[in-house]
Amino acid sequence: AQKITQTQPGMFVQEKEAVTLDCTYDTSDPSYGLFWYKQPSSGEMIFLIYQGSYDQQNATEGRYSLNFQKARKSANLVISASQLGDSAMYFCAMREEDDKIIFGKGTRLHILP
Amino acid sequence: DTEVTQTPKHLVMGMTNKKSLKCEQHMGHRAMYWYKQKAKKPPELMFVYSYEKLSINESVPSRFSPECPNSSLLNLHLHALQPEDSALYLCASSQGQGSEKLFFGSGTQLSVL
Repeated sequence: AQKITQTQPGMFVQEKEAVTLDCTYDTSDPSYGLFWYKQPSSGEMIFLIYQGSYDQQNATEGRYSLNFQKARKSANLVISASQLGDSAMYFCAMREEDDKIIFGKGTRLHILP
Repeated sequence: DTEVTQTPKHLVMGMTNKKSLKCEQHMGHRAMYWYKQKAKKPPELMFVYSYEKLSINESVPSRFSPECPNSSLLNLHLHALQPEDSALYLCASSQGQGSEKLFFGSGTQLSVL
C-alpha cells in the first residue's frame, strides 16, 4: 500500500502566485517526520522543509511553508510568490521510526512567466 | 563540510563487468542510504546502514552488494547487472532517528549495456 500519496502529477502556475502541492501519508508510528524535496532538471535533491509529528507549529522556511494537518494525515507544501526558478519536480517524503525514508511519486511544477 | 560526495558521476558498464559506486560524508552522520531513481520516477530506497550495520534491505537483488567499511564511507558493489538497472543511484546520509533531513549526493548516472 502506498504510504505517501501525491495526487497532482503536474501543475501549471503563473509566476508570483502562491501554489499548494498536496501530500497525504499513512503510518501507524507515533513518531515520524515529513519532508519536501525539490529536484530540478539537473538532478540534485534539494531539501526544502521538515515537519516532525510532534511539532506543534507548522514549519516555515522562507517562501516555503508546510500545512500540517495531523488528523487528516496531510502535509501540503505551500510556496508563496512563485518564481520561474521554482519549476522542478517536488517530492514529499516520510521518515518512520526505523529510519526508513520513502518518497511519493512527485509533482512536476511549471511556473509560467 | 556538509557534503555527500559520490563517485563516479557517470558509469557505463557491460553486463559481465564488476564495478563499485562510492559515497563519502564527513558530517558524523550515523545513517547512510542508497536510493535508485529511474527517469521521471521517485527515488526508491535500496539499503540503509545504521552505525555501520545494514539495517534495511528493500529486497534488492544480490547483484547489488552494499558495504560500509567505516562511518564515513558507503560502497555499492555491482556485478552482472541488467540493462534495466540503468538509473541514477543516489547516496544520502542523516544524523539518524529524529533528524530533520537527508543530505543527498549528486548521484551516479549508471548505464548498463
